[in-house]
Amino acid sequence: QARLVQSGAEVKKPGASVTISCQASGYRFNGYYLHWVRQAPGQGLEWMGLVNPIGGSPIYAQKFQGRVTMTRNTSATTISLEVTSLTFEDSAIYYCAREKSNADDAFEIWGQGTKVTVSA
Amino acid sequence: AVQMTQSPPSLSASVGDTITITCRASQGIGSEVGWYQHQPGRAPRLLVSAASTLQSGVPSRFSGSGSGTDFTLTISSLQPDDLGTYYCLQDYNYPRTFGQGTRVDIK
Repeated sequence: QARLVQSGAEVKKPGASVTISCQASGYRFNGYYLHWVRQAPGQGLEWMGLVNPIGGSPIYAQKFQGRVTMTRNTSATTISLEVTSLTFEDSAIYYCAREKSNADDAFEIWGQGTKVTVSA
Repeated sequence: AVQMTQSPPSLSASVGDTITITCRASQGIGSEVGWYQHQPGRAPRLLVSAASTLQSGVPSRFSGSGSGTDFTLTISSLQPDDLGTYYCLQDYNYPRTFGQGTRVDIK
């Protein structure tokens, strides 16, 4: 059974960086794109970018260009999201999500979410 | 970027009612839309992909329709477990864009 398991909650100070991991299991890791989505308190879902597990450059939402790095570790079947220069507006729940198939790009499998709190 | 305009922002309905949520894309996107349910404390859940394909395990009271620029999620015979926020997401191109969400409350 395909599953994505994320790392635990984080509390960071403004200006710091945070790295969140998402480990995949139960399916062929190289076969599906993985995305990052976040939800700030009281806000909607926001797409951040995607990672191709096979390789190539990640694709980032323009809003996060230069402040976000998405990486993959194929041997560990894990992707990671680093967000630098944190501000209070980065407090959110961050999700990783896997596409359904090569022919259907919907986000079928989701991680449980990682809460990041930015607090002085 | 494709803008997804979702309406209404919220609605309150009774158990057994039929409700409709719409998303309008700023350009034609074929059938490249999914619908998601997001309940407090849980990860989002894919209900419908490719505009009208119901996902395995999703009750048949959920249905999606539309193509081009106008898309609809219908919940017939609303149940108490259906409360939450519903989002459309276009997967036609990058950046992926969500609608603003529709909060569904049960009267």
